[in-house]
Amino acid sequence: QQQVKQSPQSLIVQKGGISIINCAYENTAFDYFPWYQQFPGKGPALLIAIRPDVSEKKEGRFTISFNKSAKQFSLHIMDSQPGDSATYFCAAASSGSARQLTFGSGTQLTVLP
Amino acid sequence: NAGVTQTPKFQVLKTGQSMTLQCAQDMNHEYMSWYRQDPGMGLRLIHYSVGAGITDQGEVPNGYNVSRSTTEDFPLRLLSAAPSQTSVYFCASSLMTGRDTQYFGPGTRLTVL
Repeated sequence: QQQVKQSPQSLIVQKGGISIINCAYENTAFDYFPWYQQFPGKGPALLIAIRPDVSEKKEGRFTISFNKSAKQFSLHIMDSQPGDSATYFCAAASSGSARQLTFGSGTQLTVLP
Repeated sequence: NAGVTQTPKFQVLKTGQSMTLQCAQDMNHEYMSWYRQDPGMGLRLIHYSVGAGITDQGEVPNGYNVSRSTTEDFPLRLLSAAPSQTSVYFCASSLMTGRDTQYFGPGTRLTVL
């Protein structure tokens, strides 16, 4: 039972293009939505995170858009660069007693030079 | 700071063998966790600990044991390895809960024949 559904599984974008990765969740108790970035052979690392009191958060070329009513959130990478080629995971957690992160299945992004 | 360290980096086991994956962190984090990463399935939580002497099960705990005798160390034991446990294992730590920024180790790639 996957509580966070992520798409697409893989994505190929030209350098300078916009990469968009989408996630949908089921548990309405989730109130923290981070994105992690993983390079080959490395562990994931936090990229950017959002809480549902805002609809958008931007850090440099990376933006999270959040739609609470649709229970969806997405990562937009503007001006995508070859160095952005990595696997991206969305995740969600609640402020309840468990407070564990539930991860999506991951998106392998390739940015062509 | 070394951050989160994991040993070994690679391991091959035969079905039925047991082994311990080591994890240590030097950031004085209370929360530590073990995930397994399988293609198309993202990161799934095996076990986690909210402090020394306290552990709990995650999403996929069967076949694994953990203990937390110190704040720094959180070993993962495979009791009787099975081919279904072939995976990449990541240890992570965070300040207090799974909602805090999680810092991942470099991973252990385990193959069970």
